[in-house]
Amino acid sequence: SAVISQKPSRDICQRGTSLTIQCQVDSQVTMMFWYRQQPGQSLTLIATANQGSEATYESGFVIDKFPISRPNLTFSTLTVSNMSPEDSSIYLCSVDSGGDYNEQFFGPGTRLTVL
Amino acid sequence: RKEVEQDPGPFNVPEGATVAFNCTYSNSASQSFFWYRQDCRKEPKLLMSVYSSGNEDGRFTAQLNRASQYISLLIRDSKLSDSATYLCVVRYFNKFYFGSGTKLNVKP
Repeated sequence: SAVISQKPSRDICQRGTSLTIQCQVDSQVTMMFWYRQQPGQSLTLIATANQGSEATYESGFVIDKFPISRPNLTFSTLTVSNMSPEDSSIYLCSVDSGGDYNEQFFGPGTRLTVL
Repeated sequence: RKEVEQDPGPFNVPEGATVAFNCTYSNSASQSFFWYRQDCRKEPKLLMSVYSSGNEDGRFTAQLNRASQYISLLIRDSKLSDSATYLCVVRYFNKFYFGSGTKLNVKP
């Protein structure tokens, strides 16, 4: 399985500011995914980050609020813009295994608290 | 209706017990099925993929029933270290749909 790292692992931010989360994979992957996991909830897909094209956002998530970059096949960033306390969550990036069943593997997550 | 539904639990069982979780999914065209384990404040980790014929990995057995659109996970001889939240996950093309998880507490 791929080894995935995320930075920062946690942060406490003020309302109205923005935070950029980095995701690094130890191998080249076609698609990277960004999820949000709010306290006590399961994972919700924010967007799929494709190298060389715009990210594909899920219903309820927009590029202005969650801009994503995918400059190469091993790296992606997610920015949480103009934050409010409702954005407090764990943000996870993941990649497909590329195997027969296309399992997903997750980074360790970024725990964000917005005051 | 949610794409994937699970009983949230918690399931409180003694060490050595056998415990089973079920999960139902709504899209009959779903292609792949998985169980993930998530420990508190950690990322989900793949426990096992669920094959059409069912599969076993040590103390863990997964079954898929496409006709009834449900997936099961059986854990035999529960260990304290099995305490976690178990997520049922279903894939349809490039989209993964996560259940809300079933919490398992294994007690000494």
